[in-house]
Amino acid sequence: AQSVTQLDSQVPVFEEAPVELRCNYSSSVSVYLFWYVQYPNQGLQLLLKYLSGSTLVKSINGFEAEFNKSQTSFHLRKPSVHISDTAEYFCAVSSDGGATNKLIFGTGTLLAVQP
Amino acid sequence: NAGVTQTPKFQVLKTGQSMTLQCAQDMNHNSMYWYRQDPGMGLRLIYYSASEGTTDKGEVPNGYNVSRLNKREFSLRLESAAPSQTSVYFCASSRRGDSKETQYFGPGTRLLVL
Repeated sequence: AQSVTQLDSQVPVFEEAPVELRCNYSSSVSVYLFWYVQYPNQGLQLLLKYLSGSTLVKSINGFEAEFNKSQTSFHLRKPSVHISDTAEYFCAVSSDGGATNKLIFGTGTLLAVQP
Repeated sequence: NAGVTQTPKFQVLKTGQSMTLQCAQDMNHNSMYWYRQDPGMGLRLIYYSASEGTTDKGEVPNGYNVSRLNKREFSLRLESAAPSQTSVYFCASSRRGDSKETQYFGPGTRLLVL
């Protein structure tokens, strides 16, 4: 069975500092990996995803994540955060073989950016 | 283009009452999903519909039923609400049921069962 672990429930960081949000997964088959972001009182929206090819994927707002198969990780990074990045971030995994796109979500990491 | 819409935004129920959460998408997506979000537990899949006319159970289906009314609409029904069903409910849709597809989420329904 697949699972996703986000060890950090909350990450406080100062504005303009770098940040890394950790995500590890377990799966016996090839996986697709996603990061979704949830701003306060909103639904989730896709930040970035890894399907195949280059292991480094980037979002339009400066986040990036690297798929590391040997370490079963998909950590999210940003070199300099803004106040507007304050949100909850969810890592998710899916895999081929099922009839439907069943996403398995981690428990989320709250990124709290302080001035 | 509203994306995924959900009604109501908030609801308070008494134990044993019933209600239906409505979801609609205007993106011509084939697949739709219902999740619940609880603190410290992330999102868990309740039911999904791979295509119009089909529905199937997810991880936590007990106490819920669903109806895929047409391609646009996917409703979630609580027949006899329990306090354990206090949660935030999200509907989502994707173009296809393919594992690579992005899911698009609605704004959520906050449900309190007393």
